Amino acid sequence: AQSVTQLDSHVSVSEGTPVLLRCNYSSSYSPSLFWYVQHPNKGLQLLLKYTSAATLVKGINGFEAEFKKSETSFHLTKPSAHMSDAAEYFCVVSGVTAAGNKLTFGGGTRVLVKP
Amino acid sequence: EAQVTQNPRYLITVTGKKLTVTCSQNMNHEYMSWYRQDPGLGLRQIYYSMNVEVTDKGDVPEGYKVSRKEKRNFPLILESPSPNQTSLYFCASSRTAIHSYEQYFGPGTRLTVT
Repeated sequence: AQSVTQLDSHVSVSEGTPVLLRCNYSSSYSPSLFWYVQHPNKGLQLLLKYTSAATLVKGINGFEAEFKKSETSFHLTKPSAHMSDAAEYFCVVSGVTAAGNKLTFGGGTRVLVKP
Repeated sequence: EAQVTQNPRYLITVTGKKLTVTCSQNMNHEYMSWYRQDPGLGLRQIYYSMNVEVTDKGDVPEGYKVSRKEKRNFPLILESPSPNQTSLYFCASSRTAIHSYEQYFGPGTRLTVT
């Protein structure tokens, strides 16, 4: 079985300060990991993905994530938050299970950016 | 423009009245999937389709049907909607079912069942 836990349901940061969104996963196989962002009333957009290449992954809009197998974590960071980063973020694990390929979403982290 | 489209975007209906939400992709993708999004639960998979004529249940299939007669279309059918199916629904597609490929999401359909 595979699962994803996003450790914070809400994160509040000031504009210009760092953002950290935490994600832990479990998987019986070597998974692929993704971060998606959902702006209000919009669909989901891919930020970045890890597929067993470099453990530090750079994505769009200045975001990056580090895959740590020993800690089963895939935390998302950005050095300096912008007002446009206010959105909900989903950590996703994709792997092979007994039922075939499967995508499992975390519960989401809603980010508030204060001026 | 490469995209996944869904219709309608918003729908209010009554219990028991059959409805269909359409989904279409123009990227020649093999894999398509339906999700529902509920607060605090993230997205949960309803059904998926590996390719034309091959579909299978996801995590929460009860009360839903799908069909995949053409590669580009993957409609979601609620034969007898109930209030607990009030949710935000997303269709997604991917080049194949290989887990390293990202999924592309439609804009969502907000369904209210009264």
